[in-house]
Amino acid sequence: RKEVEQDPGPFNVPEGATVAFNCTYSNSASQSFFWYRQDCRKEPKLLMSVYSSGNEDGRFTAQLNRASQYISLLIRDSKLSDSATYLCVVNHHYGQNFVFGPGTRLSVLP
Amino acid sequence: DTGVSQDPRHKITKRGQNVTFRCDPISEHNRLYWYRQTLGQGPEFLTYFQNEAQLEKSRLLSDRFSAERPKGSFSTLEIQRTEQGDSAMYLCASSPTSGRAETQYFGPGTRLLVL
Repeated sequence: RKEVEQDPGPFNVPEGATVAFNCTYSNSASQSFFWYRQDCRKEPKLLMSVYSSGNEDGRFTAQLNRASQYISLLIRDSKLSDSATYLCVVNHHYGQNFVFGPGTRLSVLP
Repeated sequence: DTGVSQDPRHKITKRGQNVTFRCDPISEHNRLYWYRQTLGQGPEFLTYFQNEAQLEKSRLLSDRFSAERPKGSFSTLEIQRTEQGDSAMYLCASSPTSGRAETQYFGPGTRLLVL
């Protein structure tokens, strides 16, 4: 079993749709959590950190459930420019050993 | 551009040859990471430096792989006796040790093809 698992995708949704991505992690000692975005043939870029109380950044909402070892990302009112691969990332030891999930690809269709 | 830079961007080599990649992190960042990414997968951690000290190495990093960061600035990743399975994107990232220390900034990567 992989240490970080994500919805296999791809997700194909129309513009304006709401889409949710799920991620689970196996190491209960994990300390911090992130969502990164990676465009085709580009490097990953931080989308948002995920905090225990949940957090929102515009159309994006991230949730963390430590008991279930589960992380989610919700995108509301999706735009064509949201088309990318979304990577769930878990950090075991502060600043070190970041573990990336395989990613979930999103295509937002006109 | 003050972001992370990597050189070369592309490398084609024959099996058995040695290759070396360079990463220049953001200048004030103490932490530097190397990752490998294959098609359809997320980046896999290879190794991590804090300043010039290599603090962690993945078991993915066989003895054919070596990384250095001699002056705590740029880093090199060398692969000896390359194999076709080494074909991948090699990504470098850096992060500060204070402030948003957990935010990693990635370079554009070096795409390696071993024939």
